[in-house]
Amino acid sequence: EIVMTQSPATLSVSPGERATLSCRASQSVSSNLAWYQQKPGQAPRLLIYGISTRATGVPARFSGSGSGTEFTLTITSLQSEDFAVYYCQQYNKWPPWTFGQGTKVEIK
Amino acid sequence: QEQLVESGGDVVQPGRSLRLSCAASGFTFSQYAMHWVRQAPGKGLEWVAAIWFDGSKQYYSDSVKGRFTISRDNARNTVSLQMNSLRADDTAVYYCAKDFDHSGYYFDYWGQGALVIVSS
Repeated sequence: EIVMTQSPATLSVSPGERATLSCRASQSVSSNLAWYQQKPGQAPRLLIYGISTRATGVPARFSGSGSGTEFTLTITSLQSEDFAVYYCQQYNKWPPWTFGQGTKVEIK
Repeated sequence: QEQLVESGGDVVQPGRSLRLSCAASGFTFSQYAMHWVRQAPGKGLEWVAAIWFDGSKQYYSDSVKGRFTISRDNARNTVSLQMNSLRADDTAVYYCAKDFDHSGYYFDYWGQGALVIVSS
């Protein structure tokens, strides 16, 4: 099983600032890495797949990067609607499909 | 547009059974794999089960293998999760999620979730 580890657990950021979230895989996941956003009381929403491709309707301030086992989600100029929990997921080797434990982006 | 609507969530006693359903619309259901993902209260996302577009393959997490069964009806655009021998640690919101393709990729659409509480 590929273990996904996210850091930090919580990130305090002021509106308008940049947020950088990290995700590490226990083995290479090639380019098969996705990011999801989840707001309180809502279902997760696909943000990024294939490391860096934004899903339909996702603003350009969200970007993904990385390779192999180290990945980053960057949110430039945080908006109020971006405060949420973010999960990375690998779909390279399954089952199981595995998620990181999440990073909560909160208002500083 | 793509829509997934779960139903069947309830409060059940340990050891009992429950069946969740997910009704899909807005896409050609028979062309896509489907998944169930759960989220225990205050916790992260845990993949539970997957079924291929044609129902030919099913996969389960170790935590539910032998107790849960995923199935689909492509004529009715529904995917189901039969949950037997429920335990307290099965308490969670269960999400139905659409795969990007006919087999194992990322999950591009999610339902709103169905709450299952296992308690005596």
